[in-house]
Amino acid sequence: NAGVTQTPKFRILKIGQSMTLQCTQDMNHNYMYWYRQDPGMGLKLIYYSVGAGITDKGEVPNGYNVSRSTTEDFPLRLELAAPSQTSVYFCASRELAGVSQDTQYFGPGTRLTVL
Amino acid sequence: DQQVKQNSPSLSVQEGRISILNCDYTNSMFDYFLWYKKYPAEGPTFLISISSIKDKNEDGRFTVFLNKSAKHLSLHIVPSQPGDSAVYFCAAVGNEKLTFGTGTRLTIIP
Repeated sequence: NAGVTQTPKFRILKIGQSMTLQCTQDMNHNYMYWYRQDPGMGLKLIYYSVGAGITDKGEVPNGYNVSRSTTEDFPLRLELAAPSQTSVYFCASRELAGVSQDTQYFGPGTRLTVL
Repeated sequence: DQQVKQNSPSLSVQEGRISILNCDYTNSMFDYFLWYKKYPAEGPTFLISISSIKDKNEDGRFTVFLNKSAKHLSLHIVPSQPGDSAVYFCAAVGNEKLTFGTGTRLTIIP
């Protein structure tokens, strides 16, 4: 049981480049989330999805795009990388609301540096 | 606008003693609260939760207390063990989304 997996683990981008951070979960969870964590800060929600085909903005969506074509996958796209997007990115999944209120399951993170 | 605050960036506690981590929030509409533990280079892992209708929840060495009138919650770890050294985040849940505090780095001194 792999849980939530993220690729790549590390990446260095040049300003203006684009990339996709991959996230996959094998728990058949409906809810999926993308967060970023800056040094000394808490996790801030970028985008989330309540099911395949449905996505919504979180607290800090600018500069990012997402899609959710399947239950398992929730990729995060950076189109024009900027130094302000240097951060650690975490993907998470959660069971359908009401079934369990206890937890989100997090992936190991992707450390992104934009130079 | 920081809706969830952890005012102590770090805390050091001797092994065997009690660790108390604090968290304050501003939005009285949060449904429940969670504590997560995070080791370096790993994602956060769930520790314990408490519903907004309760004032205490206990799980082994971990107890979370909620004071709704003060909009304050705390995590008690007793006895503290070296493996408890990590960053602890409190999080509040509302509208299916989590709002995280900035974290407290707990160091257990052998």
